[in-house]
Amino acid sequence: AQRVTQPEKLLSVFKGAPVELKCNYSYSGSPELFWYVQYSRQRLQLLLRHISRESIKGFTADLNKGETSFHLKKPFAQEEDSAMYYCALRAGGYNKLIFGAGTRLAVHP
Amino acid sequence: GAVVSQHPSRVICKSGTSVKIECRSLDFQATTMFWYRQFPKQSLMLMATSNEGSKATYEQGVEKDKFLINHASLTLSTLTVTSAHPEDSSFYICSAPEGSGTQYFGPGTRLTVL
Repeated sequence: AQRVTQPEKLLSVFKGAPVELKCNYSYSGSPELFWYVQYSRQRLQLLLRHISRESIKGFTADLNKGETSFHLKKPFAQEEDSAMYYCALRAGGYNKLIFGAGTRLAVHP
Repeated sequence: GAVVSQHPSRVICKSGTSVKIECRSLDFQATTMFWYRQFPKQSLMLMATSNEGSKATYEQGVEKDKFLINHASLTLSTLTVTSAHPEDSSFYICSAPEGSGTQYFGPGTRLTVL
């Protein structure tokens, strides 16, 4: 079965602290993983995708097929990073996305 | 970047009535669009895939006669909640993949059924 697991509902850190939002997936084929972010009162938007291997707003994520993980990391959190973060899986050649439950990141001053 | 719009942003209706929600891709064409439902403080649940020129594909457990989807053109998909009941109250979100495969999301429609 295709599944995305984000074990933490809430991650609360202080400004400047490192952040790691966990994401594990279950998929028998070759997955494509994404991180989407939803800031307060805004629509869902793409943060990054594993095939791009880029850093967006200081965030990076590496696909680990052995551990079936795609954790999102940032070395120094900023207050403006406070938002809901969703990990998503695109299965095979289809465009539909399977979302995790989401993790709320709260960065305190 | 690409933009997806939804209309209306908020709707309140009486139980038993039908409500239509529109999803438009404003500056790109989309042969498929996706409809999600989001309950308060919960994740997005994929309801169905809207296919231009053919029938929608519904996810398991989603009633196709309850949630009618029509993909009238390459830039418009509509979701009609028929005979709405209070338990249908939710936040409905659509998305459309642009040429590169990146999905763009609409702002959502909050439906309240009294």
